[in-house]
Amino acid sequence: AQSVTQLDSHVSVSEGTPVLLRCNYSSSYSPSLFWYVQHPNKGLQLLLKYTSAATLVKGINGFEAEFKKSETSFHLTKPSAHMSDAAEYFCVVSGDTGNQFYFGTGTSLTVIP
Amino acid sequence: DAEITQSPRHKITETGRQVTLACHQTWNHNNMFWYRQDLGHGLRLIHYSYGVQDTNKGEVSDGYSVSRSNTEDLPLTLESAASSQTSVYFCASSESLPLAGWGNEQFFGPGTRLTVL
Repeated sequence: AQSVTQLDSHVSVSEGTPVLLRCNYSSSYSPSLFWYVQHPNKGLQLLLKYTSAATLVKGINGFEAEFKKSETSFHLTKPSAHMSDAAEYFCVVSGDTGNQFYFGTGTSLTVIP
Repeated sequence: DAEITQSPRHKITETGRQVTLACHQTWNHNNMFWYRQDLGHGLRLIHYSYGVQDTNKGEVSDGYSVSRSNTEDLPLTLESAASSQTSVYFCASSESLPLAGWGNEQFFGPGTRLTVL
């Protein structure tokens, strides 16, 4: 069975400081992993995805994530937070057929000016 | 540009009424999904379809139904709306995969906010 745990429900950072959003997954095989972002009252937008190529994945808006199989983690990072990064972030693992998604409960990121 | 749209964007209904939420995609994707989003739960899968005439139950399918008569549309019906179905509903689509194991990106609609009084 697949599952995702986002370790922090809320994260606050100051503008210009690094962002770290933590995600651990459970899977019986090598999954695909995704990070999506949801701005207030909007749909979900793909930030980045891991599908067995390079373990360090670069996404949009300066975000990146590192797949660590030994730690079953896929943490999202950004070197310097911007006010526009304030949003809800979801870590997602694909199911065994690759077609279904399993979502974490989300991390709300607040950026303090 | 290809897109996925949902209608209505907001709806208020009464307990016991039948409600249908529309989802239309122009990506020509075989896979379509319905999720509900509730605080503290992330997104949970209601129903999904891997092609025309194919429908499958997800994690929270009780009280919901879908039908797939063409590639573009997957309407979600609440047979008899309940207050517990007050939520934000998202439709998504993705390409189908030739091989199992590797996930394809899902494209999401803007959501429908449903309130059941």
